Amino acid sequence: AQRVTQPEKLLSVFKGAPVELKCNYSYSGSPELFWYVQYSRQRLQLLLRHISRESIKGFTADLNKGETSFHLKKPFAQEEDSAMYYCALHRTGGGADGLTFGKGTHLIIQP
Amino acid sequence: DAGVIQSPRHEVTEMGQEVTLRCKPISGHDYLFWYRQTMMRGLELLIYFNNNVPIDDSGMPEDRFSAKMPNASFSTLKIQPSEPRDSAVYFCASSLPGHYGYTFGSGTRLTVV
Repeated sequence: AQRVTQPEKLLSVFKGAPVELKCNYSYSGSPELFWYVQYSRQRLQLLLRHISRESIKGFTADLNKGETSFHLKKPFAQEEDSAMYYCALHRTGGGADGLTFGKGTHLIIQP
Repeated sequence: DAGVIQSPRHEVTEMGQEVTLRCKPISGHDYLFWYRQTMMRGLELLIYFNNNVPIDDSGMPEDRFSAKMPNASFSTLKIQPSEPRDSAVYFCASSLPGHYGYTFGSGTRLTVV
């Protein structure tokens, strides 16, 4: 069975500092990985997908199959980045089985 | 499109009562998912539908939970009878086939006292 691990429940950094939110996954096949963000009192929103190789709001994430990781990074944190961040995995091959989410990391950007 | 619409936003009910949560997916989305979010367990997939048909309900915790999707624009999640441990935020999400970036609703915060 697939599993997503986000080792940090809470991460606090100062504004302007680099941010790295860790995500490790366990899946024997070829996964699709996502990052979702949930701002205070708002719905979960898709932040980025690994297959798009995109940068959204200054965030990037690289899939490292050797380390089975998909860490989210931003070089300079901003106060508006404070939110809950969820890493999610989808199995490829057949159907649209539900995403498996990590338990989330609460990112707090201090002024 | 107004996005995925859930109602009610908040529900407070007494233990033993029946609770019905509602979801309207984005028009044209073939997949609909129900998730439960708690501090302890994070986001858990309860059930999902494809073209109104339940595909996987293995995440439904107990027989007290049931979900239906009578048509492409409406789904319900029912808990009967409700218990305090059911207190959580319940999210509905929908997506297109072959595209796995879900669109989530705002969630229903359920409190069972």
